[in-house]
Amino acid sequence: GAVVSQHPSWVICKSGTSVKIECRSLDFQATTMFWYRQFPKQSLMLMATSNEGSKATYEQGVEKDKFLINHASLTLSTLTVTSAHPEDSSFYICSARDWGQTLYEQYFGPGTRLTVT
Amino acid sequence: AQSVTQLGSHVSVSEGALVLLRCNYSSSVPPYLFWYVQYPNQGLQLLLKYTSAATLVKGINGFEAEFKKSETSFHLTKPSAHMSDAAEYFCAVGGNEKLTFGTGTRLTIIP
Repeated sequence: GAVVSQHPSWVICKSGTSVKIECRSLDFQATTMFWYRQFPKQSLMLMATSNEGSKATYEQGVEKDKFLINHASLTLSTLTVTSAHPEDSSFYICSARDWGQTLYEQYFGPGTRLTVT
Repeated sequence: AQSVTQLGSHVSVSEGALVLLRCNYSSSVPPYLFWYVQYPNQGLQLLLKYTSAATLVKGINGFEAEFKKSETSFHLTKPSAHMSDAAEYFCAVGGNEKLTFGTGTRLTIIP
C-alpha cells in the first residue's frame, strides 16, 4: 500500500517551453502533497505544499508563477514548469500524505528528471 | 525551527561490517525523526521513524536507530553491511507539517 507514482519519469524539453509533471497517489487519498527539488548529489529542498482544493503554499525563494502547482483531486497533483530554462534542470520528487497518517509521514514518488536544453 | 545535521557525506564500510550513519537534530518541540534511503534515480523509501514511542526503532532491511535526547542524536546502524545497502541515506525531522532533510550520506560497501 501507500504507493505514489510520477509521470513522466524523465523529460527533455527545449528552453522556453512548459512541461507538466503528474503525481498520483494510487491506493490512498492524499489530502496533502509536497513537491521537492533535488540537485545532483544534494538533499531535497521543499518547493511547495499543496492541499486538495486550495492554493499551494510555496517556500521562500520559489517562484509561484514559474512553478505552477495544482491539486484538483485527492489523488492527483501536478507541477508545471513554465518557460523552462536550463537552470530548471533537476530531479523533481513529489510526496503525499494520507489524512489518516502520522502528521509528518510522507510517501514519496520515484521522481522525474527534467532536462532543459 | 527544526534542522538536522548528518556527519559525513561519504561513508565506506566493508561487506559484513557495522554500518553507522550519524544524524543530529535540532528541534524546539519533541521531534518526529525519520531515516530514508534513496537509490540512484529513484525516490525516497522510508527505513524507519521515531514518533516518541520506543527510543530504539527497528526498520526495514535490518536497520535500526536509537533516539538519544541528551545527545540530540538519531544515528542509523546495521550490524552487518550488505552490498545492496549501497545508496544515499537521508535523515529528516518533522515540524510544521513539513519534513526538513539533512544533506545526506552516501554509503559505499567495499566487497
